Amino acid sequence: NAGVTQTPKFRILKIGQSMTLQCTQDMNHNYMYWYRQDPGMGLKLIYYSVGAGITDKGEVPNGYNVSRSTTEDFPLRLELAAPSQTSVYFCASSLQASLSEDEKLFFGSGTQLSVL
Amino acid sequence: QKEVEQDPGPLSVPEGAIVSLNCTYSNSAFQYFMWYRQYSRKGPELLMYTYSSGNKEDGRFTAQVDKSSKYISLFIRDSQPSDSATYLCAMRRADSWGKFQFGAGTQVVVTP
Repeated sequence: NAGVTQTPKFRILKIGQSMTLQCTQDMNHNYMYWYRQDPGMGLKLIYYSVGAGITDKGEVPNGYNVSRSTTEDFPLRLELAAPSQTSVYFCASSLQASLSEDEKLFFGSGTQLSVL
Repeated sequence: QKEVEQDPGPLSVPEGAIVSLNCTYSNSAFQYFMWYRQYSRKGPELLMYTYSSGNKEDGRFTAQVDKSSKYISLFIRDSQPSDSATYLCAMRRADSWGKFQFGAGTQVVVTP
């Protein structure tokens, strides 16, 4: 039972480089999310998706792009990496958004990204 | 000012003690509340969720919500060293489906 799988676990980028963080889930969840976690700042929502083909911006979307071509996959693209994007990135999924345990977020194990 | 405030700790308690954690929030529109536990270098995992004022109990964990004071709490009874982790509160507005605001997290250390 894999749950939410993120790759890579660690990455060092040079300023201006680009990369894609991969995320896949095997729970047939409709909702998927990308968060970043910075020390002392909590989790900030970057982008989210309510289903294949539908994405929307979260709180901190600048510098990132997403796509959702399948229910399972939700990659996050960083274009022109900047030091401000140094963070730990978490992908998450939930069955649906409702006032119930179905809204429970299942998180991946994270990607630690450094931009130097 | 952050919408959700949480004391970062660390909060150190002896094994068997009650751990008391809390979050305050400024947006009275927040209606749905969750507590997550995060071990070092891992993703958060859900502990409790609630959307009403009052207490909700699950095993050693009790979540408390006071909407009039904009204050939520999590209590851990009979704490164990395995409870050592960072605890995150999360909350959202009723009309912001799936879009949670997270607190910064409180680090808890339970000493044997």
